[in-house]
Order: sequence, then C-alpha cells, then structure tokens
Amino acid sequence: NAGVTQTPKFRVLKTGQSMTLLCAQDMNHEYMYWYRQDPGMGLRLIHYSVGEGTTAKGEVPDGYNVSRLKKQNFLLGLESAAPSQTSVYFCASSYSQPGLAFDEQFFGPGTRLTVL
Amino acid sequence: LAKTTQPISMDSYEGQEVNITCSHNNIATNDYITWYQQFPSQGPRFIIQGYKTKVTNEVASLFIPADRKSSTLSLPRVSLSDTAVYYCLVGDGTNAGKSTFGDGTTLTVKP
Repeated sequence: NAGVTQTPKFRVLKTGQSMTLLCAQDMNHEYMYWYRQDPGMGLRLIHYSVGEGTTAKGEVPDGYNVSRLKKQNFLLGLESAAPSQTSVYFCASSYSQPGLAFDEQFFGPGTRLTVL
Repeated sequence: LAKTTQPISMDSYEGQEVNITCSHNNIATNDYITWYQQFPSQGPRFIIQGYKTKVTNEVASLFIPADRKSSTLSLPRVSLSDTAVYYCLVGDGTNAGKSTFGDGTTLTVKP
C-alpha cells in the first residue's frame, strides 16, 4: 500500500499561472482533505470531500477549487496563483469523519509551492 | 466548533516523561479527541485517540477527565527523536469541515 501520495513534490509558479495538485489514496477512504501549512503555523483546511463526486469548503477556500471525480483521487486547483498562496500543501484521507471513532487522517508527504 | 488551546512550546530532556495538555471547553458529547505528531517537512502522523478516561498504546497515553474539557498527552521517557510538533484535534462529529488543527505544541527534547 502506498497510502497517500501527492504530485508534484515541489513547484514554482509565477503570479497568475495556474496548476493542479493531485492527491491519490489507496485505502478506499471516503473522506479526503486539502490543507495548507504556512511556516511556523498549524494546518488550515482548504476544501474537503465526504465521498466521490462531493466537495465542500473548509476554513480557507478562496482562490482554490477542487474535484473528486474518482473516490481515490482529490485534485486541488489554483486558477490564478498569488504570492499569498506560497505554502506547503498536504492532502489527507480518513475512514470516518473527524471527531468520530476511527477518524485517523493519513497524510501525504506534502507539496511545497512557491509563487513568485 | 470545539476550539483547542495548547501551549506553544515545551522543553524536556531525554528520558523524562512529557505531558502536553490541550483545552477544549466546547467539546460536544459525541466528539473524540485525537493527537497527531509532525516532524519538519512531513505530514502529521496519528498518535492516539480517546473519548474518556485513559487510553494507552505503544507510544503514548491519553488522559481525559470526566468533564472532557481537556486532555493530556503523555509521552514516557522521551528521546531526541520525539522532538516534533504535537497537535490536539477535536473533531466536530457532525461536520467534517469543522475540525481544525490549532498551532500545536513544539516539543524540544534536549540531551
């Protein structure tokens, strides 16, 4: 089992460029999440999904879009990148909903994005 | 939303027991408490989860008082490799988007 994988690991963009981050999990989890982590800060939830074909906004959704066309994949898009989106992006998945039993989130290795 | 409060940082020495307390005054009846560990340049990793009283696994113990308004993560005999950021997460069991990680506690273990 690969667990949660993220592509790419590093990326440098210019302001206004677009890109898509791919997250894949092989644990058949229903729940998937995208977080961003700025230096010295905790994780902030961008968007999440409670199942294939569903997405919802988290704490800091502005400037991002997501799609969950397949259960195992969760895509995060930046349509017009801004320097404020320079961060490390983590994807995670879980069997059950946070706050319930067996809600352990499995995290990917992260994508380090720099927007110039 | 059960907001959590943790100390920003803690120092310890190798071989000591470390206790990190998290306050969650607004925890809901059905919410579980989960702790994660994060090393630099890595994603967080699950440590332990509990609902009430005490839970123990091979790496840590979690103590939760009867009122559940706080919880304490206990790491026995820490080593240098336990230097990391520790997060307490109290999920909103009714809404997956309402669970938030705070800024965590940076634990530094010294030789």
